[in-house]
Amino acid sequence: QKEVEQDPGPLSVPEGAIVSLNCTYSNSAFQYFMWYRQYSRKGPELLMYTYSSGNKEDGRFTAQVDKSSKYISLFIRDSQPSDSATYLCAMRSTGRRALTFGSGTRLQVQP
Amino acid sequence: DAGVIQSPRHEVTEMGQEVTLRCKPISGHDYLFWYRQTMMRGLELLIYFNNNVPIDDSGMPEDRFSAKMPNASFSTLKIQPSEPRDSAVYFCASSLGRGLSYEQYFGPGTRLTVT
Repeated sequence: QKEVEQDPGPLSVPEGAIVSLNCTYSNSAFQYFMWYRQYSRKGPELLMYTYSSGNKEDGRFTAQVDKSSKYISLFIRDSQPSDSATYLCAMRSTGRRALTFGSGTRLQVQP
Repeated sequence: DAGVIQSPRHEVTEMGQEVTLRCKPISGHDYLFWYRQTMMRGLELLIYFNNNVPIDDSGMPEDRFSAKMPNASFSTLKIQPSEPRDSAVYFCASSLGRGLSYEQYFGPGTRLTVT
């Protein structure tokens, strides 16, 4: 079993929809949680970062971490065609700089 | 800043040949990471360096893979001999050793095809 599980999709939604992306993990030592966005044939870029449990909001994006359930989510409000990309969750434990990534969810927002 | 620079962007080689991938991290960053991305296995860490010293190479698949960082502005990942199963996109990333998130900045990747 992988340390981080993520539904690969693809997920297709109409423009303006609310999108929910999720990851589960098994390593209770993970303390830092991130969401990266990767456009086709590009490198991943950091979208959201959260430490430990709780919510974090940045514009149309909200990241949630539930450590008790070992579950993290990314919500995208008012989705746009420009949000079409692969979204990767990533996490790491304290003292370790290496990230463990989910396999990525491919999102397509239809105009 | 130009960001993380990788070369070549594409590499096609025959099985058994030596392949060298190159990376220039963002100036001032003291961590450098090499990742490999495939459809089957996703994005996997191969090795990372801190201040040019390898810290964790547990992700390097086998002895055919080696990585070096001779100075703060250059790193190489070498595969010798290459095999078709090495076909993947190889990413280099760098980060600062301080700050809240230790955000990793990724390069554009090298797409390697071994025939």
